[in-house]
Amino acid sequence: DTAVSQTPKYLVTQMGNDKSIKCEQNLGHDTMYWYKQDSKKFLKIMFSYNNKELIINETVPNRFSPKSPDKAHLNLHINSLELGDSAVYFCASSQVWGDDGYTFGSGTRLTVV
Amino acid sequence: RKEVEQDPGPFNVPEGATVAFNCTYSNSASQSFFWYRQDCRKEPKLLMSVYSSGNEDGRFTAQLNRASQYISLLIRDSKLSDSATYLCVVNMEGQNFVFGPGTRLSVLP
Repeated sequence: DTAVSQTPKYLVTQMGNDKSIKCEQNLGHDTMYWYKQDSKKFLKIMFSYNNKELIINETVPNRFSPKSPDKAHLNLHINSLELGDSAVYFCASSQVWGDDGYTFGSGTRLTVV
Repeated sequence: RKEVEQDPGPFNVPEGATVAFNCTYSNSASQSFFWYRQDCRKEPKLLMSVYSSGNEDGRFTAQLNRASQYISLLIRDSKLSDSATYLCVVNMEGQNFVFGPGTRLSVLP
């Protein structure tokens, strides 16, 4: 069983569209995250969720909105996609916020054309 | 100064070689340290935690030097399968992990 699963794996879409990426973890972890890895391979935190509560929201555009129906799911919705949004988006989870290693999903490669 | 810095490499080493990477961090209040490994087009995976006393896992040894604010990773007897990008990760209590830019290793036959 996949511990942290993301869908879709690849997403190609046009500028201006709205899209969502789904993430689910079956590890029973309390905290989930979204990271963005750009073309230079830097991994940057976007959001953290702990027991359905947003605990850190880094300075990302408000076109990005995380949605967590329960502690096993953290979806990422993106409005009005721009070319600069093209990147790989990783979902991750950890048992305790920031206190131990993360388990990452396999990533969603988003290409905006 | 960036929060976490690494030499991007690439480090090209022959099989069987010993290779070491360093990572420096700027915030002296950092408390947790990790090495992650990321293969091309794959997700990062935890390689090992870095403890104050240092730790070893098979061919891999991690060390922490708080005074100089750096951590290191030593790989002995390199294998072709060790080729990957190695990410240094630093964390302060109550904060998210900060990932370094990674060091790329290529082990050559």
